[in-house]
Amino acid sequence: NAGVTQTPKFRILKIGQSMTLQCTQDMNHNYMYWYRQDPGMGLKLIYYSVGAGITDKGEVPNGYNVSRSTTEDFPLRLELAAPSQTSVYFCASRRISTDTQYFGPGTRLTVL
Amino acid sequence: KQEVTQIPAALSVPEGENLVLNCSFTDSAIYNLQWFRQDPGKGLTSLLLIQSSQREQTSGRLNASLDKSSGRSTLYIAASQPGDSATYLCAARSSGNTPLVFGKGTRLSVIA
Repeated sequence: NAGVTQTPKFRILKIGQSMTLQCTQDMNHNYMYWYRQDPGMGLKLIYYSVGAGITDKGEVPNGYNVSRSTTEDFPLRLELAAPSQTSVYFCASRRISTDTQYFGPGTRLTVL
Repeated sequence: KQEVTQIPAALSVPEGENLVLNCSFTDSAIYNLQWFRQDPGKGLTSLLLIQSSQREQTSGRLNASLDKSSGRSTLYIAASQPGDSATYLCAARSSGNTPLVFGKGTRLSVIA
């Protein structure tokens, strides 16, 4: 099992550009999450999904969009990138039976 | 709204010492409390999970305790090693369907 994979690992965007952060898990987990982590801060939840076709906002959803068309994939879309979106983004999935949460390696995004 | 606090933000200890990391949460009606480890530039790895009905969990040199009445959890690391150097985050889940709420983490350095 590859677990949770994220692409790209690094990206630099110009203000106003758009991009999609990809997240895929091969563990057949229904629950998936997107977090952002700023230096010295914990993780803040952006969006989450409890299954294909179902998404919900987290603590900091503004400026982001998600979709969940399959169990495996949970892409995060940034529209009109802003410097405030400079951060490290983590995707995670959750095994319900043990409540274990598995994290991807992260995408480091810089908006200039 | 659940809030999770970790103090101190950073801790440095000599190799071989036993140490305690602290976590406090504001809403004692939690579902479970989880501890994660994050190495620099990496995603989070689950360490221990304590259900609301439990008082503690152990894994190797790690022992996590939970006191719901006081809103506190501790992570005890015995005989610390340089390889234990990482950031440790705690997170609380309020119910089976709600996302985890993370603290900002404690950055631990174990000096050889």
